[in-house]
Amino acid sequence: AQKITQTQPGMFVQEKEAVTLDCTYDTSDPSYGLFWYKQPSSGEMIFLIYQGSYDQQNATEGRYSLNFQKARKSANLVISASQLGDSAMYFCAMREEKAAGNKLTFGGGTRVLVKP
Amino acid sequence: DTGVSQNPRHKITKRGQNVTFRCDPISEHNRLYWYRQTLGQGPEFLTYFQNEAQLEKSRLLSDRFSAERPKGSFSTLEIQRTEQGDSAMYLCASSDLRQLVQETQYFGPGTRLLVL
Repeated sequence: AQKITQTQPGMFVQEKEAVTLDCTYDTSDPSYGLFWYKQPSSGEMIFLIYQGSYDQQNATEGRYSLNFQKARKSANLVISASQLGDSAMYFCAMREEKAAGNKLTFGGGTRVLVKP
Repeated sequence: DTGVSQNPRHKITKRGQNVTFRCDPISEHNRLYWYRQTLGQGPEFLTYFQNEAQLEKSRLLSDRFSAERPKGSFSTLEIQRTEQGDSAMYLCASSDLRQLVQETQYFGPGTRLLVL
């Protein structure tokens, strides 16, 4: 089974509107962290936001917020007031505390294209 | 700029040749990771170091791959006898163990390898 699932391969969003990117995860580890990264065409993975499994409140970072629904095992990213520069691939990733290597496991990504 | 740097950014080689990539982590980050990303996919974990010790290797890391991190600073990833299937983006990331729960991995710009 996939540990991280991103069901939306691509999305269009109008400039200045909000967009929600879906992410569901699968783990039996009670302690884990969820990350979102942005990857522009240049290739660099840019860290956006983090949510810990024990965090009581949804994480927010500027225009980025994370809709964390633990019981449903979902961690959707919301980008508010989209800008042209938000056009990129977005990856959801998970780190399980018990996972060997402290590695991140990534989903397949969602491509976002912001239309002017 | 104190981010993660990788060299070279692009590498084209012929099948059977050896290639070596370098990663310079963020200063004082004690953990360093290598990931591989093929076209249209999320990154996949290859290996990681804590200081100079290589603590975990993925099954993806065949015998033709070797990584080092002498003195716990920069790291090199060498691929011997390259194959066309090795064509991918090789991403390096570093993190600070002292961050504890939220140990965010910061990525470099990657090295794009094309094996002809």
